[in-house]
Amino acid sequence: NAGVTQTPKFQVLKTGQSMTLQCAQDMNHEYMSWYRQDPGMGLRLIHYSVGAGITDQGEVPNGYNVSRSTTEDFPLRLLSAAPSQTSVYFCASTRQPDRVFEQYFGPGTRLTVT
Amino acid sequence: ILNVEQSPQSLHVQEGDSTNFTCSFPSSNFYALHWYRWETAKSPEALFVMTLNGDEKKKGRISATLNTKEGYSYLYIKGSQPEDSATYLCAFNTGNQFYFGTGTSLTVIP
Repeated sequence: NAGVTQTPKFQVLKTGQSMTLQCAQDMNHEYMSWYRQDPGMGLRLIHYSVGAGITDQGEVPNGYNVSRSTTEDFPLRLLSAAPSQTSVYFCASTRQPDRVFEQYFGPGTRLTVT
Repeated sequence: ILNVEQSPQSLHVQEGDSTNFTCSFPSSNFYALHWYRWETAKSPEALFVMTLNGDEKKKGRISATLNTKEGYSYLYIKGSQPEDSATYLCAFNTGNQFYFGTGTSLTVIP
C-alpha cells in the first residue's frame, strides 16, 4: 500500500512553460485534492475532485487545471507557469466515513518558477 | 474564504512542560475540525478529526477539545518531548472545502 504518491519531488520551470504534477493513490478514495503551501500562509485548496469525472475549484484555482479520469489519479496542470506559482504542492486523498473527511497527504512537490 | 486562526504562531518549551494551542474557526457551516502534525520535510499527518460540540479526543500525551458554538478547539500536549517538535495545523471543513490555519510551530528543548 503506497498511499499517496506525487511526482516529481522537485521541479524548476521557466516563466511560460507548462507542466503536469502527478498524484496517485491506491486507497480507492473518491475525494482527492490539491493544495499549495506558501510561507506565512496555511495550506490553500486549489482544486478538488469527489470522484472520477467530477472536479471543482477551491480557494485559489487560477492558473491551474485538473481532470480525474480514474479514481487513482488526479494530475494538476500548470498551463503557463508564473513566478507567483513558486510553491510547495501537496496532493491529498480523503476517506469519508459518515461525511467525516480523513485526509492523507502525499510527500509534496517543490516547484520553482524563474 | 473562511478564516482559520491559530495561536500562538510559535512556541518554545522545555522537555517535560505541558502546553496547549488554540484554533479558532467560523461556527457556521461546520462539518469537522481537523488537527495535523507536520514535521519538517515531511507531509502533514492527521492527529484528530472532531465533529460534535464537546468532543474530546486523545492519543497518548496529546489531546484535543472542540467547541463548535463559539468556534474554537484546543490541542494539549502533556509532558512535551523533543520528538513532539513539529508544526501543528488545524483545518476546518465545510463539506468538500477545507480551510487551514497557518499552524503553531512547537520546539521542545531537551
